[in-house]
Amino acid sequence: EVQLVESGGGLVQPGRSLRLSCAASGFTFDDFAMHWARQVPGKGLEWVSGISWNSASIGYAASVKGRFTISRDNAKNSLQLQMNSLRPEDTASYFCIKGTRDAFEIWGQGTMVTVSS
Amino acid sequence: QSALTQPRSVSGSPGQSVTISCTVAASDVAEFIYVSWYQQHPGKVPKLIIYDVLERPSGVPGRFSGSKSGNTASLTISGLQADDEADYYCCSYAGGYNWVFGGGTKLSVL
Repeated sequence: EVQLVESGGGLVQPGRSLRLSCAASGFTFDDFAMHWARQVPGKGLEWVSGISWNSASIGYAASVKGRFTISRDNAKNSLQLQMNSLRPEDTASYFCIKGTRDAFEIWGQGTMVTVSS
Repeated sequence: QSALTQPRSVSGSPGQSVTISCTVAASDVAEFIYVSWYQQHPGKVPKLIIYDVLERPSGVPGRFSGSKSGNTASLTISGLQADDEADYYCCSYAGGYNWVFGGGTKLSVL
């Protein structure tokens, strides 16, 4: 069974940093692209960042580019999102996603990030 | 990044068919190739129901179908059931290793 378990969320002050992690299991991790998306409670989905299986291709939403960094460790079946210079508008639930065929096949349960003073 | 426009809400009665549209600006049509659709029930994580415009993952009922014409992709749900009441999001690859979601459509089953 495919499992994606996010961790690292929490309450952080504006301007500070947070690092999210995603532990993957149940599939061959280094065969698939991985992504992060976020959702403000009660609002729509926003794609945040994606990384190809070999880290050769990486993309970011304009809203986070220059502040967030995605990375993966295929040896450890893990995905990370380093979030710097956090803003109140970054407050959302962040989902780790297994990619497939340019779509988002399996979603983790999400980890909540709250940016507030 | 291109924006995808969806109706905020649609509704239908059990047994009927409903169609949810997803429109991209004409200037962005060239990258409007890999369209996917997601169903999200309240309090649940999104579920992939359509990828590559019209393909269904295994386990997704045939009542869900996707199509595309020009700058508009569509999700059609036939034989509407109470459990289909949910939010639906379209998503498209936008080029440059970027993706974009539509704003979401709330489907009400009357």
